[in-house]
Amino acid sequence: ETGVTQTPRHLVMGMTNKKSLKCEQHLGHNAMYWYKQSAKKPLELMFVYNFKEQTENNSVPSRFSPECPNSSHLFLHLHTLQPEDSALYLCASSQGLAEYNEQFFGPGTRLTVL
Amino acid sequence: EDQVTQSPEALRLQEGESSSLNCSYTVSGLRGLFWYRQDPGKGPEFLFTLYSAGEEKEKERLKATLTKKESFLHITAPKPEDSATYLCAGGVYGGATNKLIFGTGTLLAVQP
Repeated sequence: ETGVTQTPRHLVMGMTNKKSLKCEQHLGHNAMYWYKQSAKKPLELMFVYNFKEQTENNSVPSRFSPECPNSSHLFLHLHTLQPEDSALYLCASSQGLAEYNEQFFGPGTRLTVL
Repeated sequence: EDQVTQSPEALRLQEGESSSLNCSYTVSGLRGLFWYRQDPGKGPEFLFTLYSAGEEKEKERLKATLTKKESFLHITAPKPEDSATYLCAGGVYGGATNKLIFGTGTLLAVQP
């Protein structure tokens, strides 16, 4: 158990649906991350939050909308997605943004867009 | 462009057959080389961080080493439970954000 939980674990949605992914960390960390993992591709950083403030948006399409209400919770709101958005979405957290802070990952949400 | 390349893409070993996984990197201002293990259907699990050339770290049957251009993950006498995808990542600290640049991973299968 890494201390980072994600719900749901699996999600199937149509292109016109709106859904949200949830991440919660129980490690007392201050920084949280969203990554996208597609087959045969490296993990791709999407967003970074530190103390609830967004510090990185890696040119992510606006159909992905993150929300970080506090340092323990992170959401990814999804709307009008495309089939190529199907992937494993991983949440991670770290103590802070300093260079020596390891990132700890949740189990991921497997998203399928029909 | 910052890049991390892992080889081989897949590796099949017999139980007890030692081998090494390679991670080569071209990352400006590298701030740590990270190794993770990922089991099917799970998120990556942190294994090691290496910060300077010559550094080595060990955990059970795994030993990670770092040079100025690459890192190796040595697996000694592997067991079937070591089967997983092993990911390496270069740490980049941009002043405001701690980023990890990941490779595509090595899928290791250890057969009994």
